Amino acid sequence: DAMVIQNPRYQVTQFGKPVTLSCSQTLNHNVMYWYQQKSSQAPKLLFHYYDKDFNNEADTPDNFQSRRPNTSFCFLDIRSPGLGDAAMYLCATSRAHRTETQYFGPGTRLLVL
Amino acid sequence: GQQVMQIPQYQHVQEGEDFTTYCNSSTTLSNIQWYKQRPGGHPVFLIQLVKSGEVKKQKRLTFQFGEAKKNSSLHITATQTTDVGTYFCAVPTGNQFYFGTGTSLTVIP
Repeated sequence: DAMVIQNPRYQVTQFGKPVTLSCSQTLNHNVMYWYQQKSSQAPKLLFHYYDKDFNNEADTPDNFQSRRPNTSFCFLDIRSPGLGDAAMYLCATSRAHRTETQYFGPGTRLLVL
Repeated sequence: GQQVMQIPQYQHVQEGEDFTTYCNSSTTLSNIQWYKQRPGGHPVFLIQLVKSGEVKKQKRLTFQFGEAKKNSSLHITATQTTDVGTYFCAVPTGNQFYFGTGTSLTVIP
């Protein structure tokens, strides 16, 4: 029944060591989002895909990249994690922009040592 | 850019008391969504409001959209411990939704 799946649920990486987080969905939704959420803060949108069209938020650091090889999967690559990148990373999907419900995955908690 | 403030930031209530959180925008909104995030969990969609002055109810939860479509509120009647969590409004800007600052609700048994 899982609709938005994120792996792994917890990820530990070393300072500067590249890491990839994955998200998959069974909803066949057009849009996939990546959010960063730090403790006691609101989710912050990093970027999203509408189908294969990539949309980067203006203030998303270059250190963060994303790939969407097909409708079901989306990846978040952090090229050189810093201590400030430790956070919960949430993947979400929606059928279309703006007016549709967003369905969130359980998140991946990233720890940077 | 879009400015969305939620008040209060934190709220502690005794079980059985009512709770209200307010979401205020600097611009007129086309619609607004509300999400709940339990401690350690992920945001879960509650409702979407579209029409000016709209009021929707879900059991003990009442959602309102202001007449000017610049503000919204979520009211919980007779809170229960299961209501604990952070309530976020989410508003459209550009092509996407952005989350408000959130209100963290603690319910004291």
